[in-house]
Amino acid sequence: EDQVTQSPEALRLQEGESSSLNCSYTVSGLRGLFWYRQDPGKGPEFLFTLYSAGEEKEKERLKATLTKKESFLHITAPKPEDSATYLCAVQGGSYIPTFGRGTSLIVHP
Amino acid sequence: SQTIHQWPATLVQPVGSPLSLECTVEGTSNPNLYWYRQAAGRGLQLLFYSVGIGQISSEVPQNLSASRPQDRQFILSSKKLLLSDSGFYLCAWNGGALINYGYTFGSGTRLTIV
Repeated sequence: EDQVTQSPEALRLQEGESSSLNCSYTVSGLRGLFWYRQDPGKGPEFLFTLYSAGEEKEKERLKATLTKKESFLHITAPKPEDSATYLCAVQGGSYIPTFGRGTSLIVHP
Repeated sequence: SQTIHQWPATLVQPVGSPLSLECTVEGTSNPNLYWYRQAAGRGLQLLFYSVGIGQISSEVPQNLSASRPQDRQFILSSKKLLLSDSGFYLCAWNGGALINYGYTFGSGTRLTIV
């Protein structure tokens, strides 16, 4: 059974204070690892797909990295508008992604 | 471009009443369609998915059902709602033959059972 654990559950940062979110996973035959951003009361918004260990992707202040056991979402110099819940999901041989519970990020001005 | 529409945005229903939530996708053909439920403080729970018209797979046994009467239409239904059916319901789609390039989610329906 595929499993995804995200940590921390909640993270409070000051504006400009860089940090990382963690997504640990176990999966049989990784086909892809996904990061989403979810604002309160809205559906998740797709950010990145990572397919193999060593891969990195960037978008503005966000950078996602992947190893064989975990993925990190690095947030550099965050702004208040980066406040959201960040979801991680993995897809293995079952073709149906397994989602983590998310990390709630609050960035204070 | 592809868009996904989900309605209504909010819904308050009494226990025992029926339910119908609708989701439509535009700008693509033969999408894979999904219904998820997100309870407060919990992760996304897959309820149903469909890879084609009339093809429905259920992930969780419950009093909900799903139907796909048209290629780009996915409907979530219930004959009698329970208090435990409260939650945030999300429709999603992706393309490709069961290969996940990343979901596109709808805006969600907040369902409250009273």
